[in-house]
Amino acid sequence: QKEVEQNSGPLSVPEGAIASLNCTYSDRGSQSFFWYRQYSGKSPELIMSIYSNGDKEDGRFTAQLNKASQYVSLLIRDSQPSDSATYLCAVEGARSGTYKYIFGTGTRLKVLA
Amino acid sequence: DVKVTQSSRYLVKRTGEKVFLECVQDMDHENMFWYRQDPGLGLRLIYFSYDVKMKEKGDIPEGYSVSREKKERFSLILESASTNQTSMYLCASTPRPLTYEQYFGPGTRLTVT
Repeated sequence: QKEVEQNSGPLSVPEGAIASLNCTYSDRGSQSFFWYRQYSGKSPELIMSIYSNGDKEDGRFTAQLNKASQYVSLLIRDSQPSDSATYLCAVEGARSGTYKYIFGTGTRLKVLA
Repeated sequence: DVKVTQSSRYLVKRTGEKVFLECVQDMDHENMFWYRQDPGLGLRLIYFSYDVKMKEKGDIPEGYSVSREKKERFSLILESASTNQTSMYLCASTPRPLTYEQYFGPGTRLTVT
């Protein structure tokens, strides 16, 4: 089992719809969770961070965390063609006493105009 | 704004050459990271450093070494470049503790021929 798992996609949604991206993780000790957006050929940029169970909203983006079920999700409301990118889930976790970030392989989102 | 810069956006080297990739951050961050990113494999940690002259191996350190002589600069060294080291290399930094998001540089696309 991968430490952080994401569906690779592509996830295709029409413009204006809600895009739902999911991520599961294996380390129950993880405390910090991040969503990054990465356009083709560019470096990742932070979209959201979430640290406690529940929802966190920022504009059109909502991150959801459920530590008991070990999943974190990202909802994008009113999806725009400019949201088309790969979304990376990252989890901060302790392995062998050293804290590191663990990234999923990303979900490619396509927003169709 | 945090700024992480990398010495080159694109680099072409020959097999067997020694290659230096440099990363500089201007926000006095303690932690710095080197990743490589390949299609289908996601971001993989090569090395990270949590202080000057301190380094720890990541998941794929073989064939690489690092140097951190100053807090703001973290160098990745390919001792003898091989074709399987052709990849996108990303540098990132974050303040202590590791609950904060990582800030990425623009990346270096390295091709080894």
